[in-house]
Amino acid sequence: AAGVIQSPRHLIKEKRETATLKCYPIPRHDTVYWYQQGPGQDPQFLISFYEKMQSDKGSIPDRFSAQQFSDYHSELNMSSLELGDSALYFCASSLRLGGIRSSYNEQFFGPGTRLTVL
Amino acid sequence: EDKVVQSPLSLVVHEGDTVTLNCSYEVTNFRSLLWYKQEKKAPTFLFMLTSSGIEKKSGRLSSILDKKELFSILNITATQTGDSAVYLCAAVNTDKLIFGTGTRLQVFP
Repeated sequence: AAGVIQSPRHLIKEKRETATLKCYPIPRHDTVYWYQQGPGQDPQFLISFYEKMQSDKGSIPDRFSAQQFSDYHSELNMSSLELGDSALYFCASSLRLGGIRSSYNEQFFGPGTRLTVL
Repeated sequence: EDKVVQSPLSLVVHEGDTVTLNCSYEVTNFRSLLWYKQEKKAPTFLFMLTSSGIEKKSGRLSSILDKKELFSILNITATQTGDSAVYLCAAVNTDKLIFGTGTRLQVFP
């Protein structure tokens, strides 16, 4: 079965550079979530999109932005990178049966992008 | 503030043992509780629990949710070395996951 695809899998950048992470959800899934997992930490929610509109926002820095496109893939744009941005960035997707207030929320994670900022 | 607490933080057992992992939560707009297994890569989905008292089973793993006492447990029977991983519990607030810090399980032969 198709899973969530993320690219690139690994990325090395220098401080103050920009990075773009891509996420391709499971086919027919309409919701995408981004999480950041620092070394030895639990994943922290950044932002989510439902039907191409931002649906919720967590601890996402102002230097980061994201969007969901018409084909439902999503991109996380990170500017002015800092050393502390080094982490695993996971994308998850789900199918929100019943619309935005649906309680159905089985999220499937992609393999993650490991970002290292030097 | 939303909070998910898992215990124990770490567990070391021998193959064949049975383990119980605990997860308590205080989350606004609670929708459901999810369990994931993480082994040096992306979390792998195990269970989603929405209703109290209904046990979900998958092979040697089972889980149950108590919405009155705000906790869930994950049981693994007859553990195997392949069960070694970090087990993450996450509570759904509206549509975002609030993760606990995880329980690191190590199973030795």
